[in-house]
Amino acid sequence: DADVTQTPRNRITKTGKRIMLECSQTKGHDRMYWYRQDPGLGLRLIYYSFDVKDINKGEISDGYSVSRQAQAKFSLSLESAIPNQTALYFCATSEEGYTEAFFGQGTRLTVV
Amino acid sequence: SQQGEEDPQALSIQEGENATMNCSYKTSINNLQWYRQNSGRGLVHLILIRSNEREKHSGRLRVTLDTSKKSSSLLITASRAADTASYFCATTPPGTYKYIFGTGTRLKVLA
Repeated sequence: DADVTQTPRNRITKTGKRIMLECSQTKGHDRMYWYRQDPGLGLRLIYYSFDVKDINKGEISDGYSVSRQAQAKFSLSLESAIPNQTALYFCATSEEGYTEAFFGQGTRLTVV
Repeated sequence: SQQGEEDPQALSIQEGENATMNCSYKTSINNLQWYRQNSGRGLVHLILIRSNEREKHSGRLRVTLDTSKKSSSLLITASRAADTASYFCATTPPGTYKYIFGTGTRLKVLA
């Protein structure tokens, strides 16, 4: 099983719908991240969390919210999806200190 | 935006040749990391270089870092078709523990 698991892997939703992307990890890391990837723009940070009670906005948090249900689970919600939120979404984890990040396989979200 | 940039955006080489890609970033850093992404899949960590290091090697990978110019380069020697992927640099500014990614270089290695 993958260390960082994202569900669903693919999702098509309609404009205005609420949608939740889920991430779970078995690495025991406290730090979790949500990134969005668009062609030619690399990865941009949406939200990050350093423990269950610590949630921080990234550079593009507008239109998104998150929930850290447990050390191992970090969910990203789009309250009212819009077409320009169509993108590839990644969850990542890291341990304390300045170390490498471990990524999930991504969720491809299409908003029509 | 704090996002870094990579150059070139795309690179096509023959198998066996060396591939060099460059990363420029905007803020001070604790370290710089390089990641590989195969066609829309998750990123995989390749190598980390700390701000007080100038060069680091790992197998066929060689990374250099010039903090005075806020730039880094990744050299892949003797490239293989399996190296075909996108490559991203990521920086971690001191005290933030965030990863700030560049825009990526798409490498295609022709067999």
